[in-house]
Amino acid sequence: NAGVTQTPKFQVLKTGQSMTLQCAQDMNHEYMSWYRQDPGMGLRLIHYSVGAGITDQGEVPNGYNVSRSTTEDFPLRLLSAAPSQTSVYFCASSYQTDTEAFFGQGTRLTVV
Amino acid sequence: GESVGLHLPTLSVQEGDNSIINCAYSNSASDYFIWYKQESGKGPQFIIDIRSNMDKRQGQRVTVLLNKTVKHLSLQIAATQPGDSAVYFCAAVRGQFYFGTGTSLTVIP
Repeated sequence: NAGVTQTPKFQVLKTGQSMTLQCAQDMNHEYMSWYRQDPGMGLRLIHYSVGAGITDQGEVPNGYNVSRSTTEDFPLRLLSAAPSQTSVYFCASSYQTDTEAFFGQGTRLTVV
Repeated sequence: GESVGLHLPTLSVQEGDNSIINCAYSNSASDYFIWYKQESGKGPQFIIDIRSNMDKRQGQRVTVLLNKTVKHLSLQIAATQPGDSAVYFCAAVRGQFYFGTGTSLTVIP
C-alpha cells in the first residue's frame, strides 16, 4: 500500500498565486485532515473531513479551501498565497477520528 | 478544546541510556493519546498509543505511561540508539487530534 501520498514535495509561489496541494490515501479511511507545521508551533489543524462530502474547519482555516468528493482524495487549495502561508503542510488520514493517523511526507511551500 | 504541551523542547541522552519524554494535556475528556516520531524532512510516524482506560502500554523498546489524575503522558525509550534521534510529538485526541510542539531528542554516541 502507498499509504498517504502528497504532491508536490516542494513548491515556490509568488504572493497572490493560487495552487492546490494534492493528498490521496489508499487505505479506505474516512477521516482526513490537513495540518501546517511551523517552527515552535507544532502541527496545527487547517481543515478536516469525516467522510466524502463532509468538511469542516480546524484551528487555522483562513486562506485555505478543501473539498472531499471521494473517500480517497482531499485536496487543499490556497486561494491567494501570502508569505504567512510559507510552511510545511501535512495531510493525514485515519480509519476513525479516534484511531491512529497516518501522515504523508509533507509539502514544503514557500511564498515569496 | 485541548492544549498539549511538552515539558522540554530538547533532550540529549547517551547511547544505551533510557530516554523519557513528557507531555501534559489540559482536557480530562481526551480519551486517546498517541506518540509520533518525526525525522528530518519526513512526516510524523506512529510509535505507540494508549486509551484512557489504561495507564501503561508497552511496545518494542517503548513504553507509554498515562496519569489521568495529573493529565500527564510520558514516552520511555529503552536503550536509546542513534536511530532514535528525532522530534517526538504527543497528541491528545478528542474528536480531533491536538498536538504538542515536540521534543527534539539527540542521542550522543
